[in-house]
Parts: sequence; structure tokens; C-alpha cells
Amino acid sequence: ETGVTQTPRHLVMGMTNKKSLKCEQHLGHNAMYWYKQSAKKPLELMFVYNFKEQTENNSVPSRFSPECPNSSHLFLHLHTLQPEDSALYLCASSQDFQAGEAFFGQGTRLTVV
Amino acid sequence: GEDVEQSLFLSVREGDSSVINCTYTDSSSTYLYWYKQEPGAGLQLLTYIFSNMDMKQDQRLTVLLNKKDKHLSLRIADTQTGDSAIYFCAESTLFNAGNNRKLIWGLGTSLAVNP
Repeated sequence: ETGVTQTPRHLVMGMTNKKSLKCEQHLGHNAMYWYKQSAKKPLELMFVYNFKEQTENNSVPSRFSPECPNSSHLFLHLHTLQPEDSALYLCASSQDFQAGEAFFGQGTRLTVV
Repeated sequence: GEDVEQSLFLSVREGDSSVINCTYTDSSSTYLYWYKQEPGAGLQLLTYIFSNMDMKQDQRLTVLLNKKDKHLSLRIADTQTGDSAIYFCAESTLFNAGNNRKLIWGLGTSLAVNP
């Protein structure tokens, strides 16, 4: 049990679908992150929320839309994705936005067909 | 730009020591981390070292830091089959203005432990 829970664990969606990934942490952390993990590429930091405010958007296409309604929940809304968006999407949280001792969820394996 | 490099694969026999190496480029890094990812799971923080330290030991894990050469290593003593996983090296580096930091990740080293 990592304290960070992601749902769903697996998702297959068509390019015209709209879906959302959910992340929940009950660790009392103030910062939450979305990462993309693709084969043979370094982990890509997509979005950072610190105290519910978005502090970083690493040039992520607008077909990915994050939402952080409170410090315990983080969503990633997906719309008109491309096959190259297929990857493992990892959510993480940390006590503060200092990067480093982050706790990761198990990830959502996304396949875009 | 910032970069972290690791060898992609390492194979060892059960009971031997494993040494996973990492090089990084940002001399302003304050913390360097080792994360472990088991199949089908997220990343788990294994250990970290502050940049003013040369060595840190935690049970079977030993981290060595050569700041001059920007080289970090993770030694796992008495490697077990349960240690089979991908090990990621990461450095904490400044971005934008101010004191904001982010992690720069290596590609990960896949450790295979053979019985």
C-alpha cells in the first residue's frame, strides 16, 4: 500500500473517446504530480499541483487536461488522444513541492486504439 | 541541459552484489535519489543522498556519490530474486527562477537476478 491510489489500472480508449484518470492520496501531502512513462524514454513530468494550484505544465498538449479539486485528489481528463499517447500514467504526491521524496501510485496503463 | 544516464541492463547471480551506476550533469543538484519499480507497479523511493555526503548505507543498500565526477552508484549486497526490478536514478535540479526544483530521471536499469 503506497498511500497513492490510481484508477483505473488499465484503460483502452478510442481516439474519439473522453475518459478521466483519477488519483487519490491520503498522506496529507500538499503537492501532486502527473508523470508519463513510455518505453525507452525518461519519465516525463506533465503537471504539478502545489496546494491545489497548478505550478507547472511541461508543454503538454491540450488533449490532456488536469484538475485538482482538493489537495487529496487529482484528475487527468483525456480527449481525442493519439496512439502515441499510449503509456503508463503515474500519479505521485509529496509533502511539499520540493521534488524528491515522492510517493507514486501504481499507474494507469493507457492504450489508445 | 540536464541529463541523467544509466546503463539499461544488469544481470547478477543470486547472493552476489549488484552495482548500478548513474551519471548526472547538474552540479547544483542537492539530492540524488534511487527509486525502484517492480513489474506492474509505480515507483518506490529506495534511498537518497544529500550532495554533501560521500556515502550512505541502509541495510543491504550502499549509495556512493562522487560529486567531482558527478557519479552515483547503488550497491545491493546479497542480491535476491525479489530485487529484480527497474532502478531509476534521479537528481533534484533547479528550474525556472527561485527555489523551485524538479526531478530529472534516468531511463532506468533493469536488474535481473538469476537463481
